[in-house]
Amino acid sequence: DADVTQTPRNRITKTGKRIMLECSQTKGHDRMYWYRQDPGLGLRLIYYSFDVKDINKGEISDGYSVSRQAQAKFSLSLESAIPNQTALYFCATSQGGLAGASTDTQYFGPGTRLTVL
Amino acid sequence: QKEVEQNSGPLSVPEGAIASLNCTYSDRGSQSFFWYRQYSGKSPELIMFIYSNGDKEDGRFTAQLNKASQYVSLLIRDSQPSDSATYLCAVRRSNDYKLSFGAGTTVTVRA
Repeated sequence: DADVTQTPRNRITKTGKRIMLECSQTKGHDRMYWYRQDPGLGLRLIYYSFDVKDINKGEISDGYSVSRQAQAKFSLSLESAIPNQTALYFCATSQGGLAGASTDTQYFGPGTRLTVL
Repeated sequence: QKEVEQNSGPLSVPEGAIASLNCTYSDRGSQSFFWYRQYSGKSPELIMFIYSNGDKEDGRFTAQLNKASQYVSLLIRDSQPSDSATYLCAVRRSNDYKLSFGAGTTVTVRA
């Protein structure tokens, strides 16, 4: 089984709809991240969480919200989807803790392709 | 100026040749550097990371770091068609767990 899973893998929705993307991990990592990827722009950080009680905004958090339901689960919500939120969304995890910042490695889930019409 | 810059490519190399990918970063306080490979429609997967000046080798891959020049590179020796992918450079600032990613360089290995 995959260490980091994302559901759904593909989603087409309409403008104004509320959408939730879910991420689960079995790696036992403390840190979880949500990114979006657009052609030519690379990966951009939306939100990140260092533990269940710690949620932080990334560089492009407007229009998004998150929930860390448990150490293993981190959900991303689009409250009212708009077409420019059409992108590939990735969840990632890292160990944190004693690993130290310099060597802390992020591992990515398979991604969710979201299309907003 | 973007925090992390990469040539978008495409970089086309013949099978068996060396592919050389470059990445520059703007924050002189950056402490660690990661290379990810991403096949089309798939998720990024870690190739290697480096945080000391010099070279670090792992199989056919060599990462080179020059902090004074704010430059990190990835060499792929004996390139194979299976190396055709987009390579993402990611940079971490000192005492920060977040990563900043470049837009990626697309590599095509010609058989």
